[in-house]
Amino acid sequence: RKEVEQDPGPFNVPEGATVAFNCTYSNSASQSFFWYRQDCRKEPKLLMSVYSSGNEDGRFTAQLNRASQYISLLIRDSKLSDSATYLCVVNKGDSWGKLQFGAGTQVVVTP
Amino acid sequence: ETGVTQTPRHLVMGMTNKKSLKCEQHLGHNAMYWYKQSAKKPLELMFVYSLEERVENNSVPSRFSPECPNSSHLFLHLHTLQPEDSALYLCASSLGQGNNSPLHFGNGTRLTVT
Repeated sequence: RKEVEQDPGPFNVPEGATVAFNCTYSNSASQSFFWYRQDCRKEPKLLMSVYSSGNEDGRFTAQLNRASQYISLLIRDSKLSDSATYLCVVNKGDSWGKLQFGAGTQVVVTP
Repeated sequence: ETGVTQTPRHLVMGMTNKKSLKCEQHLGHNAMYWYKQSAKKPLELMFVYSLEERVENNSVPSRFSPECPNSSHLFLHLHTLQPEDSALYLCASSLGQGNNSPLHFGNGTRLTVT
């Protein structure tokens, strides 16, 4: 089983619609979770951290489910500029706190 | 504008060449990283430096040689690479080791080995 697993997509989303996708992680000791966004041929950029109680940043909502070991990202009112690959990042739960990346979920927002 | 800058942006090199990738961070961070990103694969951690000391070498072949002269600069020296080493090489920095701080990435060097 991969340490961090994501549906690669693509998720084709009409502009204005809502899209949500999950990421599962295998290490129950993981403590920190992030969503990064990566545009084609660009570097990953931090989108948001994921907190235990769930958190929202504008149109983006992140949730953590420790019991089932997954995090989710929901995008409301999708914009064309939301088209990107979304990377799930989980720390390994060791003393170092090393981060483990998923392969990404591609989202394509269409007019 | 990124607080982590990488040069060059693109590099084409033959298998017998020697080249170096450079990374500089202006964020006051204490940890710096090299990652490799191949098509459709997750980012692979290569090396980690914390306060200029290498703390991780993730089973990377010796044809990749990192150097961290100070906490703001990181190099990756390349020699006798293979075509399968063609990838996007990303430098990143974070506040420090073990405090779960997020990574800040440079814009990457796209390397092609011919």
